[in-house]
Amino acid sequence: GQQVMQIPQYQHVQEGEDFTTYCNSSTTLSNIQWYKQRPGGHPVFLIQLVKSGEVKKQKRLTFQFGEAKKNSSLHITATQTTDVGTYFCAGLRTNAGKSTFGDGTTLTVKP
Amino acid sequence: DAGVIQSPRHEVTEMGQEVTLRCKPISGHDYLFWYRQTMMRGLELLIYFNNNVPIDDSGMPEDRFSAKMPNASFSTLKIQPSEPRDSAVYFCASSSTGTGDNEQFFGPGTRLTVL
Repeated sequence: GQQVMQIPQYQHVQEGEDFTTYCNSSTTLSNIQWYKQRPGGHPVFLIQLVKSGEVKKQKRLTFQFGEAKKNSSLHITATQTTDVGTYFCAGLRTNAGKSTFGDGTTLTVKP
Repeated sequence: DAGVIQSPRHEVTEMGQEVTLRCKPISGHDYLFWYRQTMMRGLELLIYFNNNVPIDDSGMPEDRFSAKMPNASFSTLKIQPSEPRDSAVYFCASSSTGTGDNEQFFGPGTRLTVL
């Protein structure tokens, strides 16, 4: 079945450093979504990417969708303590009724 | 809108007891998902419904788990009998094919502890 792999599993950074998490699918995706889950909270939708090679930005966050629509990345510039949490990607395969979530990357930021 | 509502927020029970988790999706959403989250296994999709019909229950661990959606505004996830390994946070989420992003809206979760 479809698998969505996310790396790294954990990332510890100093405040102000950059952070990147990568998402890779074994099959071509219709779209990919990114979610953030704060400690003790629930996943919250951040963004959806649909087009091949698409790049979207939200303030310090940059999201990319690969040309082959099999991989994606989330980059955070100059991390802040408010960025801590687990970031999940969720890939939707063509004609599938549901997205498949990756295992998430847990980010901790040392002030 | 109140968002996805789950109850109870916390449940502590003893092994062998029946547990029922409840979810009210966002009004108008046609998809409903049940997830389980643990440190060891991460976020697992258990089952999802489309227009109240179960579409894929391949993630349901075993026969002790069952889920129903009797109408568009209510779903239950039942565990009978419960076991300590069922301890986890259970999330319900809903989405709508009518919106552009099809994003899933998650409820606050039910933290289940089975002693």
